[in-house]
Amino acid sequence: DAKTTQPNSMESNEEEPVHLPCNHSTISGTDYIHWYRQLPSQGPEYVIHGLTSNVNNRMASLAIAEDRKSSTLILHRATLRDAAVYYCILRDEGNTPLVFGKGTRLSVIA
Amino acid sequence: EPEVTQTPSHQVTQMGQEVILRCVPISNHLYFYWYRQILGQKVEFLVSFYNNEISEKSEIFDDQFSVERPDGSNFTLKIRSTKLEDSAMYFCASSEWGPAQPQHFGDGTRLSIL
Repeated sequence: DAKTTQPNSMESNEEEPVHLPCNHSTISGTDYIHWYRQLPSQGPEYVIHGLTSNVNNRMASLAIAEDRKSSTLILHRATLRDAAVYYCILRDEGNTPLVFGKGTRLSVIA
Repeated sequence: EPEVTQTPSHQVTQMGQEVILRCVPISNHLYFYWYRQILGQKVEFLVSFYNNEISEKSEIFDDQFSVERPDGSNFTLKIRSTKLEDSAMYFCASSEWGPAQPQHFGDGTRLSIL
């Protein structure tokens, strides 16, 4: 699997937008960009994924650079419940296992 | 919303004993996975299962481990002779068929080996 690079930690104020960056300069043409998060004492939770175009769902937005070498997960209004470790993961088009890195630990301040 | 359920939530076992961790994946999903997370470390892939056979496994998944789908709903992970280093959170996940489909995880079983 191609590797991703994320900041170790980030901090946000409650009710403000959060932009979580991810670099994946060696991404291949068939790699999807997936984001998962892990809340304390819980299993990983799917957030969003995309291939080339920006994506929106009820949880977040995913902005993908035109060259696909980086992406940004956007939480539009952070809540205390969004405090978690966020993982950016590349997967090819098969149903392959997820390869988790260390992710970004997001802290949300009230 | 359908979810993956895992039992028990916490299992305490003596070293050398066999342990079976149970999972009920989401009913229309076709791919099943086990991952583990040792305290303070990354989530690690163990094994994936499709069409009643292992489709992929990691180096961690040695002969001490086995998986089974004994009926139409359960998916189990068995560790034959547990070691202290098997202490971890074990997560089950499932996904639908299709390109890069999201995986849905359970809340895990905490396995403590004494």
